[in-house]
Amino acid sequence: GQNIDQPTEMTATEGAIVQINCTYQTSGFNGLFWYQQHAGEAPTFLSYNVLDGLEEKGRFSSFLSRSKGYSYLLLKELQMKDSASYLCAVTDSNYQLIWGAGTKLIIKP
Amino acid sequence: NAGVTQTPKFRVLKTGQSMTLLCAQDMNHEYMYWYRQDPGMGLRLIHYSVGEGTTAKGEVPDGYNVSRLKKQNFLLGLESAAPSQTSVYFCATNKGQATSEKLFFGSGTQLSVL
Repeated sequence: GQNIDQPTEMTATEGAIVQINCTYQTSGFNGLFWYQQHAGEAPTFLSYNVLDGLEEKGRFSSFLSRSKGYSYLLLKELQMKDSASYLCAVTDSNYQLIWGAGTKLIIKP
Repeated sequence: NAGVTQTPKFRVLKTGQSMTLLCAQDMNHEYMYWYRQDPGMGLRLIHYSVGEGTTAKGEVPDGYNVSRLKKQNFLLGLESAAPSQTSVYFCATNKGQATSEKLFFGSGTQLSVL
């Protein structure tokens, strides 16, 4: 079966750095997305990786290793507004988008 | 531009009742999707459409029907609601065509079936 694993919950301190991991086992691979979802709101797009390596976008970076079936989202200089769930999603060989259950990130002052 | 608009935002149904969720987009996107989101689970695709007049089943289509009579609208129907359909429903759209196309989501509908 297809599976995406993320930690259920993480806690970090304001101003610090946090890394949210995502591992996947899917039938083929056509790209990996990260979305942010604040409580009670819709998911919003953060990043897309299809090639190995690091993509940096301001305070957020996303890394992909296709050979390991692994990605992480790195958030720097954490702010209270970064408290949210972070969803990892993979496009498989049939171009279906498979979603992880999300990681709830709690930021403490 | 409103983007993607979902109505209603909240609804409570009794078992066996029917309802329709409306998704409207002004982004001129070809592809539209209906997802449900349940605690501890990833988003699951119910039905989707790749263009006006087309619909296709997703991962969990049973108990739902859809229609895409106009490009900008995608309707999700529940003919006979069941408690298992209690969930948060999201409509989403994108241009389609490329695997890198990000999704734009509506604000969601919280549905409770008693």
